[in-house]
Amino acid sequence: EIVLTQSPGTLCLSPGERATLSCRASQSVGNNYLAWYQQKPGQAPRLLIDDASRRATGIPDRFSGSGSGTDFTLTINRLEPEDFAVYYCQQCATPPLTFGGGTKVEIK
Amino acid sequence: EVQLVESGGRLVQPGGSLRVSCSASEFTFGTYWDQWVRQVPGKGLEWVSLIKDDGTETHYADSVKGRFTISRDSAKNTLYLQMNNLRAEDTAVYYCTRGDGWVSNYWGQGTLVTVSS
Repeated sequence: EIVLTQSPGTLCLSPGERATLSCRASQSVGNNYLAWYQQKPGQAPRLLIDDASRRATGIPDRFSGSGSGTDFTLTINRLEPEDFAVYYCQQCATPPLTFGGGTKVEIK
Repeated sequence: EVQLVESGGRLVQPGGSLRVSCSASEFTFGTYWDQWVRQVPGKGLEWVSLIKDDGTETHYADSVKGRFTISRDSAKNTLYLQMNNLRAEDTAVYYCTRGDGWVSNYWGQGTLVTVSS
Protein backbone atom coordinates (compact mmCIF):
# COMPACT_ATOMS: atom_id res chain seq x y z
CA GLU A 1 0.00 0.00 0.00
CA ILE A 2 1.28 3.45 -0.93
CA VAL A 3 1.24 5.74 2.10
CA LEU A 4 0.84 9.45 1.41
CA THR A 5 2.11 11.97 3.93
CA GLN A 6 0.88 15.54 3.63
CA SER A 7 2.59 18.52 5.20
CA PRO A 8 2.10 20.76 6.93
CA GLY A 9 -0.98 19.65 8.81
CA THR A 10 -2.18 23.24 9.05
CA LEU A 11 -1.14 26.31 7.09
CA CYS A 12 -2.05 29.74 8.45
CA LEU A 13 -1.98 32.39 5.73
CA SER A 14 -3.62 35.66 4.76
CA PRO A 15 -5.67 36.31 1.62
CA GLY A 16 -3.37 37.22 -1.25
CA GLU A 17 -0.52 35.03 -0.02
CA ARG A 18 0.79 31.88 -1.69
CA ALA A 19 0.12 28.44 -0.23
CA THR A 20 2.49 25.54 -0.85
CA LEU A 21 1.23 22.10 0.15
CA SER A 22 3.33 18.95 0.05
CA CYS A 23 2.37 15.33 -0.54
CA ARG A 24 5.05 12.67 -0.21
CA ALA A 25 4.52 9.03 -1.21
CA SER A 26 6.14 5.99 0.39
CA GLN A 27 6.91 4.65 -3.10
CA SER A 28 6.79 6.02 -6.60
CA VAL A 29 3.30 6.84 -7.90
CA GLY A 30 2.94 5.16 -11.28
CA ASN A 31 2.50 7.52 -14.23
CA ASN A 32 2.27 10.33 -11.67
CA TYR A 33 -1.40 9.49 -11.15
CA LEU A 34 -1.69 11.88 -8.24
CA ALA A 35 -4.83 13.95 -7.62
CA TRP A 36 -5.62 16.87 -5.34
CA TYR A 37 -9.05 17.59 -3.85
CA GLN A 38 -10.47 20.52 -1.92
CA GLN A 39 -13.07 20.06 0.81
CA LYS A 40 -15.01 22.80 2.57
CA PRO A 41 -17.02 22.24 5.77
CA GLY A 42 -20.26 20.37 5.15
CA GLN A 43 -19.43 19.72 1.51
CA ALA A 44 -18.17 16.82 -0.54
CA PRO A 45 -14.61 17.01 -1.84
CA ARG A 46 -14.00 18.61 -5.23
CA LEU A 47 -11.36 17.54 -7.73
CA LEU A 48 -8.77 20.25 -8.37
CA ILE A 49 -5.84 18.54 -10.09
CA ASP A 50 -5.23 15.13 -11.64
CA ASP A 51 -2.20 13.50 -13.22
CA ALA A 52 -0.15 15.62 -10.79
CA SER A 53 -0.47 18.82 -12.80
CA ARG A 54 -3.66 18.92 -14.91
CA ARG A 55 -6.33 21.27 -13.63
CA ALA A 56 -9.85 19.88 -13.61
CA THR A 57 -12.61 21.62 -15.54
CA GLY A 58 -13.52 25.00 -14.09
CA ILE A 59 -10.61 25.20 -11.64
CA PRO A 60 -8.98 28.67 -11.55
CA ASP A 61 -5.41 28.94 -12.78
CA ARG A 62 -4.18 30.13 -9.38
CA PHE A 63 -4.21 26.41 -8.50
CA SER A 64 -1.26 24.46 -9.87
CA GLY A 65 0.19 21.02 -9.26
CA SER A 66 3.71 19.80 -9.78
CA GLY A 67 6.01 16.94 -8.92
CA SER A 68 6.72 13.38 -9.92
CA GLY A 69 7.71 10.05 -8.46
CA THR A 70 7.30 10.42 -4.70
CA ASP A 71 7.17 14.19 -4.19
CA PHE A 72 4.23 16.34 -5.22
CA THR A 73 3.18 19.91 -4.55
CA LEU A 74 -0.04 21.87 -4.76
CA THR A 75 0.47 25.62 -5.04
CA ILE A 76 -2.27 28.17 -4.61
CA ASN A 77 -1.23 31.62 -5.78
CA ARG A 78 -2.91 34.71 -4.33
CA LEU A 79 -5.24 33.01 -1.87
CA GLU A 80 -8.87 34.02 -2.20
CA PRO A 81 -11.29 33.87 0.77
CA GLU A 82 -13.00 30.82 -0.77
CA ASP A 83 -9.71 28.88 -0.88
CA PHE A 84 -9.55 28.39 2.88
CA ALA A 85 -10.40 24.71 3.19
CA VAL A 86 -8.86 21.27 3.65
CA TYR A 87 -6.83 19.78 0.79
CA TYR A 88 -6.20 16.09 0.19
CA CYS A 89 -3.89 14.29 -2.18
CA GLN A 90 -4.74 10.82 -3.51
CA GLN A 91 -2.70 8.34 -5.49
CA CYS A 92 -4.82 6.85 -8.27
CA ALA A 93 -2.21 4.47 -9.65
CA THR A 94 -2.17 1.35 -7.49
CA PRO A 95 -5.00 -0.24 -5.50
CA PRO A 96 -5.70 0.25 -2.73
CA LEU A 97 -6.02 3.87 -3.75
CA THR A 98 -4.95 5.97 -0.79
CA PHE A 99 -5.42 9.50 0.47
CA GLY A 100 -3.08 11.70 2.43
CA GLY A 101 -4.15 12.92 5.84
CA GLY A 102 -4.98 16.40 4.56
CA THR A 103 -3.68 19.95 4.96
CA LYS A 104 -5.95 22.59 6.42
CA VAL A 105 -5.41 26.08 5.00
CA GLU A 106 -6.80 28.55 7.47
CA ILE A 107 -6.99 32.30 7.67
CA LYS A 108 -4.23 33.96 9.64
CA GLU B 1 -22.43 17.10 -15.67
CA VAL B 2 -23.49 13.91 -13.91
CA GLN B 3 -25.11 14.28 -10.48
CA LEU B 4 -24.71 11.51 -7.91
CA VAL B 5 -27.16 10.95 -5.06
CA GLU B 6 -26.47 8.49 -2.27
CA SER B 7 -29.15 6.92 -0.10
CA GLY B 8 -29.68 4.18 2.46
CA GLY B 9 -27.51 5.34 5.32
CA ARG B 10 -28.93 4.77 8.80
CA LEU B 11 -28.21 3.47 12.27
CA VAL B 12 -27.34 -0.22 12.34
CA GLN B 13 -26.16 -2.51 15.12
CA PRO B 14 -22.66 -4.00 15.21
CA GLY B 15 -22.58 -7.23 13.24
CA GLY B 16 -25.47 -6.07 11.12
CA SER B 17 -25.77 -5.50 7.38
CA LEU B 18 -26.70 -2.53 5.25
CA ARG B 19 -26.81 -1.67 1.57
CA VAL B 20 -26.25 1.91 0.44
CA SER B 21 -27.04 3.09 -3.06
CA CYS B 22 -25.90 5.81 -5.42
CA SER B 23 -28.06 6.95 -8.30
CA ALA B 24 -26.57 8.82 -11.25
CA SER B 25 -28.56 11.52 -13.06
CA GLU B 26 -27.42 10.53 -16.52
CA PHE B 27 -25.68 7.75 -18.33
CA THR B 28 -21.97 8.08 -18.93
CA PHE B 29 -20.65 6.94 -22.27
CA GLY B 30 -17.32 5.27 -22.65
CA THR B 31 -15.31 3.57 -19.95
CA TYR B 32 -15.76 4.91 -16.43
CA TRP B 33 -15.20 3.84 -12.85
CA ASP B 34 -17.38 4.22 -9.79
CA GLN B 35 -16.01 4.31 -6.29
CA TRP B 36 -16.94 4.55 -2.64
CA VAL B 37 -14.97 6.82 -0.33
CA ARG B 38 -15.80 7.27 3.35
CA GLN B 39 -15.10 9.90 5.95
CA VAL B 40 -15.52 9.77 9.69
CA PRO B 41 -17.04 13.14 10.64
CA GLY B 42 -14.23 15.57 11.38
CA LYS B 43 -11.56 13.22 10.02
CA GLY B 44 -9.85 12.52 6.70
CA LEU B 45 -10.93 10.64 3.59
CA GLU B 46 -10.59 6.88 3.30
CA TRP B 47 -10.90 5.06 -0.02
CA VAL B 48 -13.18 2.00 0.18
CA SER B 49 -13.75 0.35 -3.20
CA LEU B 50 -14.01 0.79 -6.94
CA ILE B 51 -15.73 -0.94 -9.85
CA LYS B 52 -15.39 -0.68 -13.60
CA ASP B 53 -18.47 0.40 -15.59
CA ASP B 54 -19.07 -3.12 -16.89
CA GLY B 55 -18.51 -4.70 -13.48
CA THR B 56 -15.59 -6.79 -14.66
CA GLU B 57 -13.05 -5.34 -12.25
CA THR B 58 -13.31 -4.43 -8.58
CA HIS B 59 -10.88 -3.50 -5.82
CA TYR B 60 -11.26 -3.07 -2.08
CA ALA B 61 -9.45 -1.51 0.84
CA ASP B 62 -7.99 -4.11 3.20
CA SER B 63 -10.17 -2.77 6.01
CA VAL B 64 -13.38 -3.85 4.22
CA LYS B 65 -12.23 -6.79 2.08
CA GLY B 66 -14.40 -9.84 2.69
CA ARG B 67 -17.13 -7.79 4.37
CA PHE B 68 -18.15 -5.22 1.73
CA THR B 69 -19.24 -5.85 -1.87
CA ILE B 70 -19.46 -3.21 -4.56
CA SER B 71 -21.83 -3.76 -7.45
CA ARG B 72 -23.83 -1.86 -10.01
CA ASP B 73 -27.05 -2.11 -12.00
CA SER B 74 -26.29 -0.54 -15.36
CA ALA B 75 -29.92 -0.46 -16.45
CA LYS B 76 -30.81 1.59 -13.38
CA ASN B 77 -27.54 3.57 -13.50
CA THR B 78 -27.14 2.79 -9.82
CA LEU B 79 -24.13 1.83 -7.73
CA TYR B 80 -24.37 -0.21 -4.54
CA LEU B 81 -22.25 -1.04 -1.54
CA GLN B 82 -23.37 -4.08 0.43
CA MET B 83 -21.85 -3.93 3.90
CA ASN B 84 -21.90 -7.00 6.14
CA ASN B 85 -20.56 -7.68 9.61
CA LEU B 86 -20.48 -3.96 10.34
CA ARG B 87 -18.21 -2.60 13.03
CA ALA B 88 -18.18 0.63 15.00
CA GLU B 89 -15.17 1.77 12.97
CA ASP B 90 -17.28 1.62 9.80
CA THR B 91 -19.25 4.61 11.06
CA ALA B 92 -18.75 7.35 8.47
CA VAL B 93 -20.24 9.40 5.69
CA TYR B 94 -20.08 7.29 2.53
CA TYR B 95 -19.54 9.15 -0.73
CA CYS B 96 -19.92 7.68 -4.18
CA THR B 97 -17.75 9.06 -6.95
CA ARG B 98 -17.35 8.62 -10.70
CA GLY B 99 -14.44 9.21 -13.02
CA ASP B 100 -13.11 8.26 -16.44
CA GLY B 101 -10.10 6.76 -14.69
CA TRP B 102 -9.41 6.03 -11.07
CA VAL B 103 -9.57 9.72 -10.19
CA SER B 104 -12.88 10.92 -8.71
CA ASN B 105 -14.17 13.61 -11.04
CA TYR B 106 -17.69 13.69 -9.59
CA TRP B 107 -18.86 13.25 -6.00
CA GLY B 108 -22.22 12.79 -4.35
CA GLN B 109 -23.16 14.56 -1.13
CA GLY B 110 -22.78 11.44 0.99
CA THR B 111 -24.93 9.25 3.21
CA LEU B 112 -24.24 8.71 6.92
CA VAL B 113 -23.85 5.19 8.22
CA THR B 114 -23.76 4.82 12.00
CA VAL B 115 -22.84 1.51 13.59
CA SER B 116 -23.81 1.46 17.23
CA SER B 117 -25.82 -0.54 19.74
